[in-house]
Amino acid sequence: AQSVTQLGSHVSVSEGALVLLRCNYSSSVPPYLFWYVQYPNQGLQLLLKYTSAATLVKGINGFEAEFKKSETSFHLTKPSAHMSDAAEYFCAVSAAGGTSYGKLTFGQGTILTVHP
Amino acid sequence: DTAVSQTPKYLVTQMGNDKSIKCEQNLGHDTMYWYKQDSKKFLKIMFSYNNKELIINETVPNRFSPKSPDKAHLNLHINSLELGDSAVYFCASSRRLAGETDTQYFGPGTRLTVL
Repeated sequence: AQSVTQLGSHVSVSEGALVLLRCNYSSSVPPYLFWYVQYPNQGLQLLLKYTSAATLVKGINGFEAEFKKSETSFHLTKPSAHMSDAAEYFCAVSAAGGTSYGKLTFGQGTILTVHP
Repeated sequence: DTAVSQTPKYLVTQMGNDKSIKCEQNLGHDTMYWYKQDSKKFLKIMFSYNNKELIINETVPNRFSPKSPDKAHLNLHINSLELGDSAVYFCASSRRLAGETDTQYFGPGTRLTVL
């Protein structure tokens, strides 16, 4: 079984400030982890993914995430927020095999607001 | 050059009606999915098809029936619509079953409102 918990349904930062969106996962098998972004009235776009290679993963738009097995975490960060980063962000886990193979399980989402 | 497209974008209908949502991908992917996003933005997988074969069928009422005429299309038919079916439905596709390194590419969503 897999699950994802995103801490904080809303995060608000000032433009230029650090962005930190938290994600913790639970998986009975080695996980693959993803961050997706959803802009208003649009579909989901992949930001980055962890696939058991490097634990620090770089994605698009300056985002990165670090897989920490000991903490079962995959937090998303960006050093300097832009106004265009305002969106909803979803963390997701997929099982690397087993009966859940092929199934993405999403967290509840975090809305990021960026203030001028 | 749309990768994953869905029609319609908006669908408003009465309780008890039957409706279909269509999805097409031009990425040459083998696997397609349907997800439901509820009013609280929670996303949950409903079905997945790999080369027209049903692979994942979550606990979804049998009023929902996916149909895959070919591997580029996965349609969702809903019978006897209920108020609780109101949601945004997303189609997605990937080269193989996700869980390897393959990314799922999402369509723009279909907002279904049942009155």
